Amino acid sequence: AQSVSQHNHHVILSEAASLELGCNYSYGGTVNLFWYVQYPGQHLQLLLKYFSGDPLVKGIKGFEAEFIKSKFSFNLRKPSVQWSDTAEYFCASPSSNTGKLIFGQGTTLQVKP
Amino acid sequence: DAGVTQSPTHLIKTRGQQVTLRCSPKSGHDTVSWYQQALGQGPQFIFQYYEEEERQRGNFPDRFSGHQFPNYSSELNVNALLLGDSALYLCASSPETGYGNYGYTFGSGTRLTVV
Repeated sequence: AQSVSQHNHHVILSEAASLELGCNYSYGGTVNLFWYVQYPGQHLQLLLKYFSGDPLVKGIKGFEAEFIKSKFSFNLRKPSVQWSDTAEYFCASPSSNTGKLIFGQGTTLQVKP
Repeated sequence: DAGVTQSPTHLIKTRGQQVTLRCSPKSGHDTVSWYQQALGQGPQFIFQYYEEEERQRGNFPDRFSGHQFPNYSSELNVNALLLGDSALYLCASSPETGYGNYGYTFGSGTRLTVV
């Protein structure tokens, strides 16, 4: 069955540190992947998305992700985090031929000022 | 502004009761999906409505039902509430597409607590 997994559940960083959050998917065929962010008390927002083409995807707020097909991974990166990046991050993928999104378990990022 | 409006924002119910959650989609969106997000988990797909009909359903019991109105707004109903139904319920809207998720916009959710 199609699945998405995130192996970092809780990450604590100091401001200016570099960030990498892991995401792995397990299905074949056409791969579409998303990263969403959920700031405290706010709605899920799309950070970036991969459909095809350049495996390095640039998103909003300085985030980027790299699709590595051989590793079934789509890790989220940011070179220098800020306190305002404190949030929960979700990797997700649409189920084949349906409208539903399959989410990973989420990673809580806490950035210390 | 999320564009998707959910009400109420918080709700406390007793086991066995019934609850109705409401969602107004973003302007121009005609497809509405509902997700349940338990504490510490990613959102889980409940069902999707398009043209006032349930189009897709996740692995949720029949106690979970929904409705979509002609103006595209939607309701999620949960009967015979269990403690395990305590969660954040998210509504997402999108324009109808073949895969249905390229333009998903999420609401801020309704926090349901069952006591």
